[in-house]
Amino acid sequence: DTAVSQTPKYLVTQMGNDKSIKCEQNLGHDTMYWYKQDSKKFLKIMFSYNNKELIINETVPNRFSPKSPDKAHLNLHINSLELGDSAVYFCAAGMGTGAIQYFGAGTRLSVL
Amino acid sequence: DQQVKQNSPSLSVQEGRISILNCDYTNSMFDYFLWYKKYPAEGPTFLISISSIKDKNEDGRFTVFLNKSAKHLSLHIVPSQPGDSAVYFCAAWATGTASKLTFGTGTRLQVTL
Repeated sequence: DTAVSQTPKYLVTQMGNDKSIKCEQNLGHDTMYWYKQDSKKFLKIMFSYNNKELIINETVPNRFSPKSPDKAHLNLHINSLELGDSAVYFCAAGMGTGAIQYFGAGTRLSVL
Repeated sequence: DQQVKQNSPSLSVQEGRISILNCDYTNSMFDYFLWYKKYPAEGPTFLISISSIKDKNEDGRFTVFLNKSAKHLSLHIVPSQPGDSAVYFCAAWATGTASKLTFGTGTRLQVTL
């Protein structure tokens, strides 16, 4: 029973398309995150949500829009995909500030 | 501006020996440090953490040491096992309302037989 699950695991798409990545956590944690791991393997936070409220939005293009329908879900929608969006995207969940975060297995996005 | 740095991209250690992974940080506001382990095609998994009020935390074969004056922490794995082969990320928090986890670039550990 996976604590943080993301779908899909792989996503291959053309430039200009719109795509979504879904994330669900069954840990009961109140904070969820999206991270991007680029080609240099650098893991960088994109967004965090606490109880469905946006807390962190790190200079991410507004083509990226997170949506949190409830505490257990944080989805990432990306409009007008660009080549530079190719990366591995990780969802994580934690009990707020200073707490350990638990990660999903990642979604490898390839934009052709 | 990379606030958490792991200067060794890779490390190879023989099974049974000690593995020492290093991490340096620049932000003196960081007050909580974590190590994550990552296997290929999986997400990072929490390994061990340390608060800035401590200088050592131990959990089984894993020990993290923190030297605040040098802004340096290290992860010791003793004895190293083949299953420890993975990428290890150092990460740090600065407590605050909108605090975030800042990661280093990772060190790939290879434990050889």
